[in-house]
Amino acid sequence: EADIYQTPRYLVIGTGKKITLECSQTMGHDKMYWYQQDPGMELHLIHYSYGVNSTEKGDLSSESTVSRIRTEHFPLTLESARPSHTSQYLCASSESGQAPEQYFGPGTRLTVT
Amino acid sequence: GEDVEQSLFLSVREGDSSVINCTYTDSSSTYLYWYKQEPGAGLQLLTYIFSNMDMKQDQRLTVLLNKKDKHLSLRIADTQTGDSAIYFCAESLLNSGYALNFGKGTSLLVTP
Repeated sequence: EADIYQTPRYLVIGTGKKITLECSQTMGHDKMYWYQQDPGMELHLIHYSYGVNSTEKGDLSSESTVSRIRTEHFPLTLESARPSHTSQYLCASSESGQAPEQYFGPGTRLTVT
Repeated sequence: GEDVEQSLFLSVREGDSSVINCTYTDSSSTYLYWYKQEPGAGLQLLTYIFSNMDMKQDQRLTVLLNKKDKHLSLRIADTQTGDSAIYFCAESLLNSGYALNFGKGTSLLVTP
């Protein structure tokens, strides 16, 4: 069973607010990922990290930023939320190298009004 | 990434077998995956197959891989109503830290 947590699970905020979505894992995994799942259920990679102090942008252009100061923590920040940011955000982690198992958190469902 | 293709809907009767098909794009993908997503939940890893394998069986699940045609399938034997969910096919991306490139998902409905 995967030990990866996301908070909050649900969030409704107004346009222009700054928000941070939290993701933590207790498995000691080096690699972590953020995916955005749009209302049509498509999943897109927006950020990933190979380890502490490593952050990379994914395929989908995103106005969000991430940080990786600790192995277990990979928060995602939106400086100024817009309605187009309304989505489910899924965090995942995996071990180093070509480790096949990638475990997902329960997701944060964000609605921007 | 480029498109991973899946059919969008599948409906089967309880007790029948379900087969969900997928075509992927990256011939260098090391692993190919099937994930399950129930309403309001995250993604559950069902199974994965290494790219040099043709088949993998895990209880009611059978994965078939045709590397030449870049075709992946998931067979669920004795499908139950609890199997109703969205199933995502995914390939690993070598150039993105082995992040996953997902298909759009197949919505499986199992009727009594």
